[in-house]
Amino acid sequence: SAVISQKPSRDICQRGTSLTIQCQVDSQVTMMFWYRQQPGQSLTLIATANQGSEATYESGFVIDKFPISRPNLTFSTLTVSNMSPEDSSIYLCSVEGAGDTDTQYFGPGTRLTVL
Amino acid sequence: KNQVEQSPQSLIILEGKNCTLQCNYTVSPFSNLRWYKQDTGRGPVSLTIMTFSENTKSNGRYTATLDADTKQSSLHITASQLSDSASYICVVSRSNDYKLSFGAGTTVTVRA
Repeated sequence: SAVISQKPSRDICQRGTSLTIQCQVDSQVTMMFWYRQQPGQSLTLIATANQGSEATYESGFVIDKFPISRPNLTFSTLTVSNMSPEDSSIYLCSVEGAGDTDTQYFGPGTRLTVL
Repeated sequence: KNQVEQSPQSLIILEGKNCTLQCNYTVSPFSNLRWYKQDTGRGPVSLTIMTFSENTKSNGRYTATLDADTKQSSLHITASQLSDSASYICVVSRSNDYKLSFGAGTTVTVRA
């Protein structure tokens, strides 16, 4: 299994500002993912972050709005830029594998509220 | 259209009772099906994972079934406890990529 931590756990931000969310894993993993979960909805994949290469974004998500860094095999950041109230969501990172390639492990999430 | 449909959307049960959640999927080619439990304000936690050849898998009081022919799965909760109150998400993966297809979840509320 993999133990994943995220910082911050929650934040309240003003419109137009940016927030960087950190994701730390207790073991080296190849693939890390960032998801968004809007209120009452299921998870939507934002992007896949691989170490040493640009993140791969899903349809509807762009790098200017959600820049991602992946400096090593245990860490990644997601920035939510120029926030609006529509960005209020839970943001989760997850990892594939970590010794068990059939399971994806999720972090505890970052609850973001934009005023 | 979502490729993973769950029912019911929500349910309320009394402590100690059993309940069954349903998941139908159209994801193809199929690799595996996972059930996750998501407590309010937390990330999803894996309960079970089943491949094509597996019909049933248990994790304590949670028992998942899979019928790959009809593309249906169920999650049965036995002798429910207050701590079972959560959202249960059915997730299906394809064999040709790493992306997951998520159901909308079933919200279970267990009352004393």
